Amino acid sequence: GAGVSQTPSNKVTEKGKYVELRCDPISGHTALYWYRQSLGQGPEFLIYFQGTGAADDSGLPNDRFFAVRPEGSVSTLKIQRTERGDSAVYLCASSLNGPVTYNEQFFGPGTRLTVL
Amino acid sequence: RKEVEQDPGPFNVPEGATVAFNCTYSNSASQSFFWYRQDCRKEPKLLMSVYSSGNEDGRFTAQLNRASQYISLLIRDSKLSDSATYLCVVNVRSNFGNEKLTFGTGTRLTIIP
Repeated sequence: GAGVSQTPSNKVTEKGKYVELRCDPISGHTALYWYRQSLGQGPEFLIYFQGTGAADDSGLPNDRFFAVRPEGSVSTLKIQRTERGDSAVYLCASSLNGPVTYNEQFFGPGTRLTVL
Repeated sequence: RKEVEQDPGPFNVPEGATVAFNCTYSNSASQSFFWYRQDCRKEPKLLMSVYSSGNEDGRFTAQLNRASQYISLLIRDSKLSDSATYLCVVNVRSNFGNEKLTFGTGTRLTIIP
């Protein structure tokens, strides 16, 4: 079946601009996560959605970052007034959600953001 | 101190050799543990979970020592296709109910023909 998809695959923007990154999770997965991976580092958690609500946004670095998931499926990560330090690969992951056991997170291919 | 620490490598190992990676974590409340594999410019993929009793999947063996907060991965009879970055990952179920994965920086492995 189809995996997690992300668009665009690459995004180049100028400092100060606004960008939107899109994630389409695996059908039926209620949990959706955004991560950021800088060069030479592992992915860092940004935000988690359960259905339509952002249940945990503790990883968002500042108020320039915002994410939505209005219908409980596709999610958009929005970055305002981009800075050069925002350059990274933004990864989306989705999973089924259960109360007890770990539910594997499946990652999308990522969006490589470059802020000039 | 980072929550999950790994030797970033690179490890350059001849084909057929055995290689071992180690990882330490700082959060004693961590509940589950994993090794993910990430190929160059690709997304991370789950390689295997790690259990206290130790677990094996073909040529791969993972071990967890909760007392020392230490995780290991052993690859036997390494293949060229094993070349990748191996990410040590710990999971804590947050107060919000979600699985919160914390990744190490990854250990880069290159298998040499």
